[in-house]
Amino acid sequence: EPEVTQTPSHQVTQMGQEVILRCVPISNHLYFYWYRQILGQKVEFLVSFYNNEISEKSEIFDDQFSVERPDGSNFTLKIRSTKLEDSAMYFCASSAAIASYNEQFFGPGTRLTVL
Amino acid sequence: GESVGLHLPTLSVQEGDNSIINCAYSNSASDYFIWYKQESGKGPQFIIDIRSNMDKRQGQRVTVLLNKTVKHLSLQIAATQPGDSAVYFCAERGGGGADGLTFGKGTHLIIQP
Repeated sequence: EPEVTQTPSHQVTQMGQEVILRCVPISNHLYFYWYRQILGQKVEFLVSFYNNEISEKSEIFDDQFSVERPDGSNFTLKIRSTKLEDSAMYFCASSAAIASYNEQFFGPGTRLTVL
Repeated sequence: GESVGLHLPTLSVQEGDNSIINCAYSNSASDYFIWYKQESGKGPQFIIDIRSNMDKRQGQRVTVLLNKTVKHLSLQIAATQPGDSAVYFCAERGGGGADGLTFGKGTHLIIQP
């Protein structure tokens, strides 16, 4: 069964450093998403991406964040200058179709720890 | 702002009993609702979804009910098994072409032997 994969599973970084979280969405999917989950809290939407551009973003997704699909398979989330409060699980998701009632498949997540 | 929330943080049921997990939402424009299951250390896993033009949908051992009048969503799990232990989140999509899902806070379902 196809699945979303994410690397690394755990990333530890110093405050102020840049991090790049990587995702490989399901191969025939067209919509890609990033969510985060601070420990013990609910999952929060960050950004959606379609046709090589951001289609929607939340208030959390400020100028410190960027997304990119550098090739036909990877989808990345970059945090330029990490803050302590960026520590969270970051989930990538993908779905098959455009703005329709389609299941978003989630990856296993990357745990980001900012020291 | 708009939010999706859950009534109970923890629900404990006996193995074999039916479980009902509830969710209240506030965005009347939401057009799509999903229940996700999250096991420890894993990402959310799709359970079942329902569109706003429906009031009930059944899957294998699970049923989702949607009451748009009172903005209430519920997940019923029949004959609960130990493998059902997890945190359950309801999520909504806001309609109007919105992509991102708004998640509730989660209910931790505990199965007693």
